[in-house]
Amino acid sequence: EAGVTQFPSHSVIEKGQTVTLRCDPISGHDNLYWYRRVMGKEIKFLLHFVKESKQDESGMPNNRFLAERTGGTYSTLKVQPAELEDSGVYFCASTRARGHEQYFGPGTRLTVT
Amino acid sequence: KQEVTQIPAALSVPEGENLVLNCSFTDSAIYNLQWFRQDPGKGLTSLLLIQSSQREQTSGRLNASLDKSSGRSTLYIAASQPGDSATYLCAVGNFGNEKLTFGTGTRLTIIP
Repeated sequence: EAGVTQFPSHSVIEKGQTVTLRCDPISGHDNLYWYRRVMGKEIKFLLHFVKESKQDESGMPNNRFLAERTGGTYSTLKVQPAELEDSGVYFCASTRARGHEQYFGPGTRLTVT
Repeated sequence: KQEVTQIPAALSVPEGENLVLNCSFTDSAIYNLQWFRQDPGKGLTSLLLIQSSQREQTSGRLNASLDKSSGRSTLYIAASQPGDSATYLCAVGNFGNEKLTFGTGTRLTIIP
């Protein structure tokens, strides 16, 4: 069984540009989460999908962040326009059902210059 | 608001020793607790998941305990090896929602 995959592994963009991160969860996992770690801080929750529906987006920092999960399969997280403080590592996780282990992807390291 | 603390932030021990990593949380209304390890530049690897109704879970040389009433969990590593060197993260699944609240981690170094 393939694990959670994320693309790209690393992205360097200039302030004001747009970046789209992609996450492919484990096949059959309806629950998909986005988290991020900014420099020196703990990993923090961004949002949670159940299939294609946003279950909880309480962690999204502002309206420059847009997450989608068309068809309930892979998900994208778009940052537009990117700011310096958006730099960090963005993780995606998936789980089959509530209360089960969350399996994390390798992360996307975003650097905004 | 749930807060998770891991102390110490860093720990070095000689190879072969047993060790304990600590995790504390402020809100005891949790659904589960998960321990992860993270190697430099890598993602998170799930080690153990403890449901709120359980007291402990074991996997190989790892044993995690949970005391919900006191807001504490420990990760016990037996007979440590250099390959155990990594950052260990504790994350709490809160009751009523699905998200994990993470601690800042303990960076473990096993000295050969």
